[in-house]
Amino acid sequence: DSGVTQTPKHLITATGQRVTLRCSPRSGDLSVYWYQQSLDQGLQFLIQYYNGEERAKGNILERFSAQQFPDLHSELNLSSLELGDSALYFCASSPRDVGGRDTQYFGPGTRLTVL
Amino acid sequence: AQSVTQLGSHVSVSEGALVLLRCNYSSSVPPYLFWYVQYPNQGLQLLLKYTTGATLVKGINGFEAEFKKSETSFHLTKPSAHMSDAAEYFCAVRETGANNLFFGTGTRLTVIP
Repeated sequence: DSGVTQTPKHLITATGQRVTLRCSPRSGDLSVYWYQQSLDQGLQFLIQYYNGEERAKGNILERFSAQQFPDLHSELNLSSLELGDSALYFCASSPRDVGGRDTQYFGPGTRLTVL
Repeated sequence: AQSVTQLGSHVSVSEGALVLLRCNYSSSVPPYLFWYVQYPNQGLQLLLKYTTGATLVKGINGFEAEFKKSETSFHLTKPSAHMSDAAEYFCAVRETGANNLFFGTGTRLTVIP
């Protein structure tokens, strides 16, 4: 158990819909990262928040957005869903902002299926 | 641009045999290097990481990896495979000053009894 929690575990929805994925980081960690794992794209970094502020962006679509709340939990919002958005979405956390040596601890993931 | 190459998307070994999973990276400066393991229907778990210092890094479950700057490699090894090692393994890098991890495409390890 990494200490990172994600809800829900599974999500099935239809094209065009909007969903919200939730992540709670390990106790004491201020950075939250979102990654997408799909068969065709592999594991890709989406976005990072540190103590409530956006710090880095990767291959995140404009239809996707995220935020980190004062209690440090984070939500990833996916809208206008397409079939290709079906993937496993991971959240990871680490203590610091740009801490190269820091380990990123991953949650169990949310499996999104878009029908 | 940063890239990570994992040679062999599937590797099969017999139980008790040597495990060797290959990882090469491209970076202008030595990055921080990580190996993660993903068991079926689970998240990623850190096996080991190289930051600075000793180039031979020992991790959990008997795995180790050696950072070779001249070869830009960070191959993962285990002397004797166990059935419980069957999983997908990901090599990842993070450049100094960068925030995110950049992952390879993964290698699925099968252990044959």
